[in-house]
Amino acid sequence: QKEVEQDPGPLSVPEGAIVSLNCTYSNSAFQYFMWYRQYSRKGPELLMYTYSSGNKEDGRFTAQVDKSSKYISLFIRDSQPSDSATYLCAMKSQGNLIFGKGTKLSVKP
Amino acid sequence: DAGVIQSPRHEVTEMGQEVTLRCKPISGHDYLFWYRQTMMRGLELLIYFNNNVPIDDSGMPEDRFSAKMPNASFSTLKIQPSEPRDSAVYFCASTPVERPTGELFFGEGSRLTVL
Repeated sequence: QKEVEQDPGPLSVPEGAIVSLNCTYSNSAFQYFMWYRQYSRKGPELLMYTYSSGNKEDGRFTAQVDKSSKYISLFIRDSQPSDSATYLCAMKSQGNLIFGKGTKLSVKP
Repeated sequence: DAGVIQSPRHEVTEMGQEVTLRCKPISGHDYLFWYRQTMMRGLELLIYFNNNVPIDDSGMPEDRFSAKMPNASFSTLKIQPSEPRDSAVYFCASTPVERPTGELFFGEGSRLTVL
């Protein structure tokens, strides 16, 4: 079992839809949970991070961590064509950052 | 502030040739990372440096790969000899020591194609 699992998609939604992106993990020691966004032909950039369990909201984006289920989610409300990108989850404890493979999202106008 | 700068952005070479990828981290960042990204394996850590010293190179696939950081503002990743399976996008990233969350600042990547 890989440490971090993420459905690669692709995921295609109409503009204005609510998007749910998810990752599961196996290492219960992970404490920091992040979502990176990667536009085509660009490097990943940090979108949100959460420490331990709970929710964090930033504008149209909400990150959730459920440590009991080893499951993290990113919700995008009122999705826009500019949200079209690959979203990578990432997590760490004391060591290096472990990335999921990314989910490619396309928001159609 | 300038971000992480990588060169070349694109490299096409033939099997057996030497490839050198370059990276300039963000000024003041103590950590520098080299990643490789492919569709099959996602983003993989190859090696990282702290204050110019290699800390963990366990992700370097084999002896054909080497990385150096001669000073705080420059690093290279070298592949010699290159093989078609090395085709990937190689990213350099840096981070300051005071970010325990592990936020990384990535460059735009070097897309390598080995024919």
